[in-house]
Amino acid sequence: QQQVKQSPQSLIVQKGGISIINCAYENTAFDYFPWYQQFPGKGPALLIAIRPDVSEKKEGRFTISFNKSAKQFSLHIMDSQPGDSATYFCAAMSSGNTPLVFGKGTRLSVIA
Amino acid sequence: KAGVTQTPRYLIKTRGQQVTLSCSPISGHRSVSWYQQTPGQGLQFLFEYFSETQRNKGNFPGRFSGRQFSNSRSEMNVSTLELGDSALYLCASSSQGTHDTGELFFGEGSRLTVL
Repeated sequence: QQQVKQSPQSLIVQKGGISIINCAYENTAFDYFPWYQQFPGKGPALLIAIRPDVSEKKEGRFTISFNKSAKQFSLHIMDSQPGDSATYFCAAMSSGNTPLVFGKGTRLSVIA
Repeated sequence: KAGVTQTPRYLIKTRGQQVTLSCSPISGHRSVSWYQQTPGQGLQFLFEYFSETQRNKGNFPGRFSGRQFSNSRSEMNVSTLELGDSALYLCASSSQGTHDTGELFFGEGSRLTVL
């Protein structure tokens, strides 16, 4: 049973456009929602994270939107650049020494 | 500060063999987690070790095992390899455990091919 569902599987965006990746979860005990970015040949790296006490968090061009009632959260990349081309993973976890569970990933390609 | 180091980076095995992968976490990190990454399934949690004790275990068969040493270095072993075990195995370390900050620091992985 997949605990975090991520969509789309792949995404092509024009340079300067907005990239949007969505995730949904079922476990209401989840209280931490990070996004990881992975470049080819590298391990994933933390990009941005949010806790459910806020509905939005912004860091530079990256924004997480969180909808607790819908149990959904999304990553928005503004002014997308070719250097943003990577695989993005949403994840979720609950407090208490539980593991981080990941979505299946979205391969983003930003074309000029 | 050195990052997470995984060895070997690439290896090829045949069905039925076993393999041992090694992970050296960031200095001072006591938690080591292992994930299997495949194109169709994304990142799937294998297990987490904290201070030499297995703290969490994912839904993988008993052929997958691991351990952590007193210096926090970790190894994972896969016995009786199957074709479906071909994957990128990622190790991640964190300072105290994922529940604190949720930030995992990943290595570059060990890519296993089973023929």
